[in-house]
Amino acid sequence: DSGVTQTPKHLITATGQRVTLRCSPRSGDLSVYWYQQSLDQGLQFLIQYYNGEERAKGNILERFSAQQFPDLHSELNLSSLELGDSALYFCASSAGGSNEQFFGPGTRLTVL
Amino acid sequence: AQTVTQSQPEMSVQEAETVTLSCTYDTSESDYYLFWYKQPPSRQMILVIRQEAYKQQNATENRFSVNFQKAAKSFSLKISDSQLGDAAMYFCATQGGSEKLVFGKGTKLTVNP
Repeated sequence: DSGVTQTPKHLITATGQRVTLRCSPRSGDLSVYWYQQSLDQGLQFLIQYYNGEERAKGNILERFSAQQFPDLHSELNLSSLELGDSALYFCASSAGGSNEQFFGPGTRLTVL
Repeated sequence: AQTVTQSQPEMSVQEAETVTLSCTYDTSESDYYLFWYKQPPSRQMILVIRQEAYKQQNATENRFSVNFQKAAKSFSLKISDSQLGDAAMYFCATQGGSEKLVFGKGTKLTVNP
C-alpha cells in the first residue's frame, strides 16, 4: 500500500459525459501528479500540483482540468468524454523535487 | 525534451535465472534521475530501483541492479535469481528538473517455472 488513495476504482460512462476522479496523497506530501495509461499512448504525464498551485502541465487535453484543494487532495475532471479517453488514470504524490513518487492504485475509466 | 526507449516488448526467463531488460534514454538536462518501475497484473506501479545520474556507482536493491552507462545513455535492469512474483510489466523512466516522469513503452517479463 503506497498510502495514496484514488476513487473510484472503476468508472463506466458514455461519450459526451463528464466525470471527476479523486486522489488523496500520502500524509505530508505536497505534490500531486496525474498520469494517463492507455494502450496506444502508454504512460503519459498530465499535470502536477504543488501545495494547491499548478506547477507543470503535460499532454493534458483542454477538455481535462484538475485542481488541488487546501487539504491537498486533488481532483481530475474529464469532460465531453470520447472513446479514446478510456484509460487507467494514476495519481502519484511526493514531497516534491526529486523525491520518489508514490502511485495510487489508479482509476479505470471506460467510455462507451 | 526527454525520451525513453525500451526495445524489448517482451522477455522471458526461467525461474532462478538472470535476465536483463534494456533501456536507452535521451535528455538535454545535466541533472536527472532514472527509474525502473514494476507493474504487476494488479496494475499498481511499484518503484524497483532509482539512479541519480551524477552518481557513477550503479544502484542495487537486493536481487535488482542496474548498469548505468551515462555516455551511452543506457540504463539496463538486471534481475538475479528470478522469481515467479517478478512477472510483470517493467517501465524505465527518467525525471529531470520538471519533476514529471517520462516513461518508456514497457517490457513484459514472463517467468517460467
